[in-house]
Amino acid sequence: QSALTQPASVSGSPGQSITISCTGTSSDVGYYNYVSWYQQHPGKAPKLMISDVSNRPSGVSNRFSGSKSGNTASLTISGLQAEDEADYYCSSYTGTTLVFGGGTKLTVL
Amino acid sequence: QVTLKESGPVLVKPTETLTLTCTVSGFSLSNARMGVSWIRQPPGKALEWLAHIFSNDEKSYSTSLKSRLTISKDTSKSQVVLTMTNMDPVDTATYYCARMRCSTSCYEDYWGQGTLVTVSS
Repeated sequence: QSALTQPASVSGSPGQSITISCTGTSSDVGYYNYVSWYQQHPGKAPKLMISDVSNRPSGVSNRFSGSKSGNTASLTISGLQAEDEADYYCSSYTGTTLVFGGGTKLTVL
Repeated sequence: QVTLKESGPVLVKPTETLTLTCTVSGFSLSNARMGVSWIRQPPGKALEWLAHIFSNDEKSYSTSLKSRLTISKDTSKSQVVLTMTNMDPVDTATYYCARMRCSTSCYEDYWGQGTLVTVSS
């Protein structure tokens, strides 16, 4: 199972919106609606931000949203805040195994 | 509340076998549609899924590491154990366990704090 492809870095100014892409194949992202997104601050464990492509767990800000088109999933963060600066990882469950993306470092300028 | 805590050696030698234990609380390892995953992260690198085990004892392993991994659980002790054989310095990483919850899909909703394992002679 190959890692999903994410941009290494994205950046935005406070208040702006950014989108992080996550590209897989027709065997993972494209086949299943099983995409999740995680936020990881330095030295901390990952935190679930989005499950099932677009579902936000309780307690996660509605500034975070997810979507999918074909083999590419996306995480959009609107109204960027300084605290959003972190690494973001997508993952896709394939029915038996799990594959993560390479991670994207979000810098809030 | 749901918590997971990893425990195991901080340092292992090359060729040795690593045994990590994940002790959970706030949920039962027999809960339907739940399981525990192991995920690792080398310093400065991305997350890598290793294995998971479901409440019905169904197991799944990373294709690339399958020959070296064994996952098991002791429901009465609320523990999930991962063993990895023939450790190598490239296996140096923070190892996380996480609760796997399956509804429409499966995802890791609670994570342990992680434990850093260094492989060195």
